[in-house]
Amino acid sequence: DTEVTQTPKHLVMGMTNKKSLKCEQHMGHRAMYWYKQKAKKPPELMFVYSYEKLSINESVPSRFSPECPNSSLLNLHLHALQPEDSALYLCASSRSGTSPYNEQFFGPGTRLTVL
Amino acid sequence: AQTVTQSQPEMSVQEAETVTLSCTYDTSESDYYLFWYKQPPSRQMILVIRQEAYKQQNATENRFSVNFQKAAKSFSLKISDSQLGDAAMYFCAYRAFQGGSEKLVFGKGTKLTVNP
Repeated sequence: DTEVTQTPKHLVMGMTNKKSLKCEQHMGHRAMYWYKQKAKKPPELMFVYSYEKLSINESVPSRFSPECPNSSLLNLHLHALQPEDSALYLCASSRSGTSPYNEQFFGPGTRLTVL
Repeated sequence: AQTVTQSQPEMSVQEAETVTLSCTYDTSESDYYLFWYKQPPSRQMILVIRQEAYKQQNATENRFSVNFQKAAKSFSLKISDSQLGDAAMYFCAYRAFQGGSEKLVFGKGTKLTVNP
């Protein structure tokens, strides 16, 4: 199984709502990532978890709150978002370490619209 | 900090022809990894090919090959016998390390159109 799944596929929320994005993988990967991607732009790294611990936070606003409850799951909790936060949110996973074969596997993304 | 530059925002190729996508990068490290990722419209990103900097031999995966010029810090992707399914955004990426974890530094991408 080389699949990263993300739910929901689409999400529309108001600026006062609280919602969560979910990512799951069963490849035994110990590193998981959240990216934000605007249209026609490359993915921008937001957070990296390694062995369920947050290891990289790319100065993301606190209205985005990541959580890694176990090695297979990664959540992104959203609260008080702004319209400019509308984007495709991608999750990825990889083996941890420095192996050259540490390919990142990407999920299909959640298309988020903030009204 | 490492940077990745893709100077071609858009490229087009006729089906069955060959196209080359350009990528340059900047790093002070001597050992590193480079990748080409493909993102088809409304579909998920997948790895096309990877290159390890310490290997002089250019990587090849079926119709995809790279021209890796370490001294010039250049990493171009050649797609031979282009197919309609090759139409996608192509991102060049550098694998960097930060805080004990790895991260990908992406170029801005090249949109490839394949004409029948």
